[in-house]
Amino acid sequence: EPEVTQTPSHQVTQMGQEVILRCVPISNHLYFYWYRQILGQKVEFLVSFYNNEISEKSEIFDDQFSVERPDGSNFTLKIRSTKLEDSAMYFCASSEARGHQPQHFGDGTRLSIL
Amino acid sequence: GQNIDQPTEMTATEGAIVQINCTYQTSGFNGLFWYQQHAGEAPTFLSYNVLDGLEEKGRFSSFLSRSKGYSYLLLKELQMKDSASYLCAVRDDKIIFGKGTRLHILP
Repeated sequence: EPEVTQTPSHQVTQMGQEVILRCVPISNHLYFYWYRQILGQKVEFLVSFYNNEISEKSEIFDDQFSVERPDGSNFTLKIRSTKLEDSAMYFCASSEARGHQPQHFGDGTRLSIL
Repeated sequence: GQNIDQPTEMTATEGAIVQINCTYQTSGFNGLFWYQQHAGEAPTFLSYNVLDGLEEKGRFSSFLSRSKGYSYLLLKELQMKDSASYLCAVRDDKIIFGKGTRLHILP
């Protein structure tokens, strides 16, 4: 069964540094998403992406964050000038369509900011 | 504001039935999802409801009442592997997740 893949599985970064989290969505999916989950807390929506542009974003997704689809397969989340509170599990997800189609989640990248 | 409420924890016995409730208040509604999340793993899709009524899928069923802002997930013939968190999520213009219900299954 096709799956969403994320790399790396764990990223450790010094506070203030930039980090790029990478995702390869399922190949025939058109909608891509990033979520984060701080340890012990709920899954929080960050951003959705369709047709090479952001379609929705949350209040969390401020100027520190950006997303890109640099080629036909990768979907990246860049966090500039990381803060301690950015430490979380970051999940990428993709879906065929926007409505009832389920979002398939990757295994996540655990980001630890020191 | 946007709010999704579900019980924090529930306990049930192997082989039994459990119902996990979810109530929501959102500015819009374009469907409700249930996801399962094992500790340290990604959420996996269980069900989707957009119209009122019951959707059945094997041992799992999900019910929606839009007028009441209410849904439940029903798990039958519980197995030990069903021990996980169950996440209720509502699509408004984006998807909002509840905090999840941690389900413990006792042998």
